[in-house]
Amino acid sequence: EVQLVETGGGLIQPGGSLRLSCAASGFSVRSNYMSWVRQAPGRGLEWVSVIYTGGTTYYADSVKGRFNISRDNSKNTLHLQMNSLRADDTAVYYCARVDYSDYVDSWGQGTLVTVSS
Amino acid sequence: QSALTQPASVSGSPGQSITISCTGTSSDVGGYNYVSWYQQHPGKAPKLMIYGVNNRPSGVSNRFSGSKSDNTASLTISGLQAEDEADYYCNSYTTSSTLYVFGTGTKVTVL
Repeated sequence: EVQLVETGGGLIQPGGSLRLSCAASGFSVRSNYMSWVRQAPGRGLEWVSVIYTGGTTYYADSVKGRFNISRDNSKNTLHLQMNSLRADDTAVYYCARVDYSDYVDSWGQGTLVTVSS
Repeated sequence: QSALTQPASVSGSPGQSITISCTGTSSDVGGYNYVSWYQQHPGKAPKLMIYGVNNRPSGVSNRFSGSKSDNTASLTISGLQAEDEADYYCNSYTTSSTLYVFGTGTKVTVL
């Protein structure tokens, strides 16, 4: 069974850094496209970042230069390093597996990141 | 990359059919058959309902169907049921640097 479990969320001050992790089971992260999607309180879904099997990465303009997506193949885990955090980064962050035909077929339960002083 | 445009809300009575539109451009919805739809109940993770414009994953009711015409994709829910009350989001591949873009979301209310 495919399962994605996010950890690392919490309360962080503006300008701070946070690292989210997503432990995958039932499949290999290195053999799949993996992504982070976020949802601000009461708002819609926003694509944050994606990493392809070959390692190519893409980012939303709103996080480019501040966030970095990576994976640890040995631990079958996806990461999102978030730097220079701002109040508008406050959201539930979902880990997601992306099918090669460009749709999300599995979602984690989400982890809440709150950026506030 | 701006979000794809969806109506903020759509409502219907049990048993009726409703359609949610998702309007983009030739750089996303109109240019590729990589449109997917997600259902999200409050406090829950999204759930895939349609992929590749009109394909249903295993386990999704055949009351849900998708289509596309030019730059607009649509999700139709037939035989509306109380459990269909949720938020729905479309998503498309895009040629922009973002690679993927979601719709603005539609709240479906069952009257």
